[in-house]
Amino acid sequence: DSGVTQTPKHLITATGQRVTLRCSPRSGDLSVYWYQQSLDQGLQFLIQYYNGEERAKGNILERFSAQQFPDLHSELNLSSLELGDSALYFCASSVGRLAGGTYEQYFGPGTRLTVT
Amino acid sequence: GESVGLHLPTLSVQEGDNSIINCAYSNSASDYFIWYKQESGKGPQFIIDIRSNMDKRQGQRVTVLLNKTVKHLSLQIAATQPGDSAVYFCAETGTGNQFYFGTGTSLTVIP
Repeated sequence: DSGVTQTPKHLITATGQRVTLRCSPRSGDLSVYWYQQSLDQGLQFLIQYYNGEERAKGNILERFSAQQFPDLHSELNLSSLELGDSALYFCASSVGRLAGGTYEQYFGPGTRLTVT
Repeated sequence: GESVGLHLPTLSVQEGDNSIINCAYSNSASDYFIWYKQESGKGPQFIIDIRSNMDKRQGQRVTVLLNKTVKHLSLQIAATQPGDSAVYFCAETGTGNQFYFGTGTSLTVIP
């Protein structure tokens, strides 16, 4: 158990809908990262937050957004869902932001999103 | 181009043998590299990391080698055990803090 929790574990929804995925980082970790893992794209970095502020952006679509709240939990919002958004979405946390450090990331169990 | 699906490189080794998993990274500006292990149905798990000012780092039963000249990273697992069966990813990052993951290698340990 990494100490990172993600809810829900599974989510099935229809095209065009909007969903929110939730992540609680390990106690004491200030950084949260979101990743998408699909069969045809592998593991893709989406976005990173550090202590409530966005720190790095990866291959995140404009239909997707995220935020980190004062209690450090994070939410990833996916809107206007398409079939291709079906994937595993992982959240990871680390002690601090990576610049200049070598902070180990701890991954949650993931949320499996199926868009029908 | 279009992708019709990931074809993971595979490696099968006999229990007790050493395993070597290779990774070619893309960005010469990357300065931090990580190896992750992902077991079926679980999230990736950190194994070992290395900064670009090093060319070798050892952990418990694992060694990471970095060759910046040819942008190559390898993970060596000593005395491979059945519990080591998983998909292994390398990841790179640099000053932009973005992470780029390789496609992964599937390791199967034969008892």
